[in-house]
Amino acid sequence: AQRVTQPEKLLSVFKGAPVELKCNYSYSGSPELFWYVQYSRQRLQLLLRHISRESIKGFTADLNKGETSFHLKKPFAQEEDSAMYYCALRGHSGNTPLVFGKGTRLSVIA
Amino acid sequence: DAGVTQSPTHLIKTRGQQVTLRCSPKSGHDTVSWYQQALGQGPQFIFQYYEEEERQRGNFPDRFSGHQFPNYSSELNVNALLLGDSALYLCASSPVAISGANVLTFGAGSRLTVL
Repeated sequence: AQRVTQPEKLLSVFKGAPVELKCNYSYSGSPELFWYVQYSRQRLQLLLRHISRESIKGFTADLNKGETSFHLKKPFAQEEDSAMYYCALRGHSGNTPLVFGKGTRLSVIA
Repeated sequence: DAGVTQSPTHLIKTRGQQVTLRCSPKSGHDTVSWYQQALGQGPQFIFQYYEEEERQRGNFPDRFSGHQFPNYSSELNVNALLLGDSALYLCASSPVAISGANVLTFGAGSRLTVL
């Protein structure tokens, strides 16, 4: 069964502190992994995906197949990073649907 | 480009009623997916439409049905509404891609409250 687990509902960090949002997954095969973000009063948008290996807004995420994890990291949190973050996966074949975790709310304290 | 547009933004219905939600995909996109996001949960996949046919379906009852029109816009219909159907309904569009590496673009959602 496909499953995405985000163990933390809420994560509060001080501005300038490192951030790590945890994501573990269950999938038989090699999935594509994504992080989506929803800022206050805005729509859900893609932050990054593992196949592109990009760093977006200072965030990075490495796929660890051994630990089936895709944790989102940023070395120095900014107030504008406060948002809801969703980890998601899908299979590689065609337009397979995204499976989302329940999300983690990141609150960056000034 | 307005991106993905959804209507209505908010609506209130009573148990047993029927509702229709509408979605216009982003320009250049021809595949539409619908997701249900209950309070405190991540989005859950309902179904996906491409070439006016339902291509994939999540674990939702037959009360949830949809349609895609020749201009790629789509409707989500829910019959015999239950209190548990109260949620934010998200529409997402994407272009068909051979590689499967396309990305979903989400609309702002339609918030349905069932009383």
